[in-house]
Amino acid sequence: NAGVTQTPKFQVLKTGQSMTLQCAQDMNHEYMSWYRQDPGMGLRLIHYSVGAGITDQGEVPNGYNVSRSTTEDFPLRLLSAAPSQTSVYFCASGTDSYEQYFGPGTRLTVT
Amino acid sequence: EDQVTQSPEALRLQEGESSSLNCSYTVSGLRGLFWYRQDPGKGPEFLFTLYSAGEEKEKERLKATLTKKESFLHITAPKPEDSATYLCAVRMTGTYKYIFGTGTRLKVLA
Repeated sequence: NAGVTQTPKFQVLKTGQSMTLQCAQDMNHEYMSWYRQDPGMGLRLIHYSVGAGITDQGEVPNGYNVSRSTTEDFPLRLLSAAPSQTSVYFCASGTDSYEQYFGPGTRLTVT
Repeated sequence: EDQVTQSPEALRLQEGESSSLNCSYTVSGLRGLFWYRQDPGKGPEFLFTLYSAGEEKEKERLKATLTKKESFLHITAPKPEDSATYLCAVRMTGTYKYIFGTGTRLKVLA
């Protein structure tokens, strides 16, 4: 099992550009989520999904879109990047007993 | 307001010097409390889930305990390879959302 994979590992964007962060899992988990991690702020939930076709907002959803067309994939789209979105982004998938397994992260810089 | 607070922010221990990390939480209802380990530049790694007060879980030198207001991660005779940031998170009843604390950075010196 590869677990949770994320691409790219690093990305630099200019303000106003859009991009998609990819996330895939091979553990057949229904629950998937996206977090951002900023110094001193801890992990904050952006969006989550409880199954294919079902998504909902987390704590900090503004500026981000998600979709879940398959159990395996949960991409995160930045619509118009802003410097405030400079962060490390983690995708996770979760089991029925609520524990989450995280990917290696994407380090995003917006200039 | 639901919140999770971890203390201390940072902790330096000598190898073999046991200690505890604290995670206090204020939530309307607890579905589960989770401990993760995070190494620099990596994603969090799952350690433990605790579901109810009085529950304990152990793994090697780590032991997690839970009360109605807080959880402790006890580290017995730590080694340098235990150096990492330890994160605590909660999932509340009636929601699919998780709240994370800001973590405790642990450094174990040889």
